[in-house]
Order: sequence, then structure tokens, then C-alpha cells
Amino acid sequence: EVQLEQSGAQVKKPGESLKISCKGYGYSFASYWIGWVRQTPGKGLEWMGIIYPGDSDTRYSPSFQGQVTISADKSISTAYLQWRSLKASDSAMYYCARREDSSWHFDPWGQGTLVTVS
Amino acid sequence: DIQLTQSPSFLSSSVGDKVTITCRASQGISTNLAWYQQKPGKAPKLLIYGASTLQSGVPSRFGGSGSGTEFTLTISSLQPEDLATYYCQQLNSYPLTFGGGTKVEI
Repeated sequence: EVQLEQSGAQVKKPGESLKISCKGYGYSFASYWIGWVRQTPGKGLEWMGIIYPGDSDTRYSPSFQGQVTISADKSISTAYLQWRSLKASDSAMYYCARREDSSWHFDPWGQGTLVTVS
Repeated sequence: DIQLTQSPSFLSSSVGDKVTITCRASQGISTNLAWYQQKPGKAPKLLIYGASTLQSGVPSRFGGSGSGTEFTLTISSLQPEDLATYYCQQLNSYPLTFGGGTKVEI
């Protein structure tokens, strides 16, 4: 079964750094793009960016370019989302999801990582 | 960026009713659109891709149609377990934007 497992909830202070992870199981991790999506409390979904673990080709939404770093380590089937200096406004639920080659839709999704900056 | 406008943002309907949600794109995206269902406290789940292809395992009461700039998600007979927020996402070009969501109340 194809699955994405995300790291646990984090509570951080403003100005601190953070790296959350998304590990893939049940498929060739290097061969599928992994995207990241933000959901702030009570709000909708925002697409942040995407990475191809095979060669680390990365695309960012203009809204998140320069604010976060997306990376991957194909040797351990894991993608990452990283902040150098967190702000209170980064408090949100973050999801990773695998992009299908055929129609670019995202399936499956990870369970989400809640980040609280306070 | 391609903007997606969903309507309505909220709807309340009864069990057995037919429900229609619309997603309009700011420019043509062919059939490069997916629909997701997000139940309270859960991650989004893929319902439909390619505008009209039902994901395996999704009940047949869900259906999608449209191309270009106007798309619809239809629930033919609303069930209690369909309480959720529904999102469209365009997959035509980066950034892969989402609609604002439609919250469905039973």
C-alpha cells in the first residue's frame, strides 16, 4: 500500500528553525513528485511547492518562494519542508502528498503535521 | 497564477438530495482539474481527477464534469458521511492552486 507518513506535531518559538518530514512507503519514492500544502486554522488549502526526489528538481509557489525550503533524500525515501526563522503566521497544518504522473493529481496524502509558533 | 472560484462556499442540504458544487478557473485549464474531500480533522482525500474520472473506491454517487473554465462536482444522493469540505485544484500549470472550498452540511 502506498503511504506517506509525516513527522509529529511541533511547538516552536518565533525565530526558531524547523524541518518537518514526509516518508514514503510502498512505491519507488524517487520516481514521483511530492508536494506540500498548507492549511491555516479554519482556512482552505494553499499549494506551497513540489519536489522530484529523483533529481531534487523543485518548484515553489510565488507565495512561499524564499519563505521555506523543500528538499528530499531519496536514499531514505523522505521529503522535507524547512523554515530558517519561524513566524507566528507559519502556524498551520502542513500536508505532503504524492503527485500522480498521469493527471498530476495528488494521492495519497500524509496525515499532516501541525506546527504551532508561539 | 490561475485563480479558482468555488461556489457556493457553504451549503446545507438533506439526505438524499442532489448537490452541485461549481469551480470556475480564471483561464482555460482543459480537464486538468481534481476534486478532494476533506472531513473534519482529516487529510484531504482524492475524489475525482481529470475533471471526471472517479478515483478507485470512491462511491458512484460522486461525479465530475466540465472542461476549460467551468467544472462541477455532483453528489447524486447526499449521505450523512458526505459531511465535509470539498476543494477543487487545477493541475494545468504551476502554482497548482486550490479553490476556496465548499463546506457541505447535512
